[in-house]
Amino acid sequence: KAGVTQTPRYLIKTRGQQVTLSCSPISGHRSVSWYQQTPGQGLQFLFEYFSETQRNKGNFPGRFSGRQFSNSRSEMNVSTLELGDSALYLCASSASNRGLWETQYFGPGTRLLVL
Amino acid sequence: AQSVTQPDIHITVSEGASLELRCNYSYGATPYLFWYVQSPGQGLQLLLKYFSGDTLVQGIKGFEAEFKRSQSSFNLRKPSVHWSDAAEYFCAVRAYGGATNKLIFGTGTLLAVQP
Repeated sequence: KAGVTQTPRYLIKTRGQQVTLSCSPISGHRSVSWYQQTPGQGLQFLFEYFSETQRNKGNFPGRFSGRQFSNSRSEMNVSTLELGDSALYLCASSASNRGLWETQYFGPGTRLLVL
Repeated sequence: AQSVTQPDIHITVSEGASLELRCNYSYGATPYLFWYVQSPGQGLQLLLKYFSGDTLVQGIKGFEAEFKRSQSSFNLRKPSVHWSDAAEYFCAVRAYGGATNKLIFGTGTLLAVQP
């Protein structure tokens, strides 16, 4: 099976702009989670989607949002970008066929640089 | 609150030497524990996981980890390190409660391997 794919891999934006990142989970996986990784804060949970519904949310401002489509692909959006949003954004998928917790598999990430 | 502590920010070992990376967790029930590895510019790769049962868990690339409830630890070990093991290693615990795939990560241990 193909792994988790994320597009784009690299992105440069300026402050105030918005950005949309995409994640395609492993085929058959229904849960998608997003994490932000920065040198200062480490790996922090953003949100999780299961069957097109947000199941859990981390402590991030409302500028960070996401959604999941019927094919389990997910997007996250960051509006009004700030310099501090520069980070590696990681997507992880798991099967969760019964809505339960299962092992997560990570994609390569999207590196966002905000200037 | 649940948390994961990796006391060692940076470790250097010689190629062929043994390795132990420390991980301590704080959790109210039986934890689900993981070790992931991240190579520069890459996503996270799952090395091994512990859910229940045998406290000594075998993973990929010759790694193993031992769950010790009395010490709240889940240390990662490898008997003989290879230069390709140089990377950052993250310990994680599944967040408690409900149907969630949220992971709480430690701050990571950066492993350097000397020839």
